[in-house]
Amino acid sequence: NAGVTQTPKFQVLKTGQSMTLQCAQDMNHEYMSWYRQDPGMGLRLIHYSVGAGITDQGEVPNGYNVSRSTTEDFPLRLLSAAPSQTSVYFCASSYTGTGNRDNYGYTFGSGTRLTVV
Amino acid sequence: AQKVTQAQTEISVVEKEDVTLDCVYETRDTTYYLFWYKQPPSGELVFLIRRNSFDEQNEISGRYSWNFQKSTSSFNFTITASQVVDSAVYFCALRRKQGNEKLTFGTGTRLTIIP
Repeated sequence: NAGVTQTPKFQVLKTGQSMTLQCAQDMNHEYMSWYRQDPGMGLRLIHYSVGAGITDQGEVPNGYNVSRSTTEDFPLRLLSAAPSQTSVYFCASSYTGTGNRDNYGYTFGSGTRLTVV
Repeated sequence: AQKVTQAQTEISVVEKEDVTLDCVYETRDTTYYLFWYKQPPSGELVFLIRRNSFDEQNEISGRYSWNFQKSTSSFNFTITASQVVDSAVYFCALRRKQGNEKLTFGTGTRLTIIP
């Protein structure tokens, strides 16, 4: 049981380049989300999805796109990288709703450290 | 709107001392979940606890304990007899119970245990 797998772990981009951060989970979680972590700001929600074919914006969606074609995968696309997107990115998943199966909250990936120069 | 405040940016204590990390939250919901996560220097986020808003019973897990007080909208975390391995950034987070799975995080408290 791999949990949530994020790739790559590290990436350096030049301003204006595009790339996709990959996220996959094998727990059959309906809910998946992307957060970015910046010093002194905690984790902020970029985009989220409550199921295949359904996505929505979080707090800081500008400059990012997502899609959810399968339950397992939730890639995050940077359209034209900017230095302000230098951050650590976390993917997370969970069951939706309530009940005992939600006892363990979110499962996070190990993070992607992105630097835009 | 939901908000989580962790007023303590950084805390340093000497090993074996007790330490309490504060968390204050704001929500209009009557039912919700509260969480604590640990982020060690390696960077991953480790789930510590989930608390339901309708359950104000305090919880203890080994050296860790949590004090949930709905009347003051606080969910504080105490580490007893701290150890160097407790050094990490700790995040408090809030989620609505139904209809919205988004987690709202505080800005975190960096805890350093001095040997």
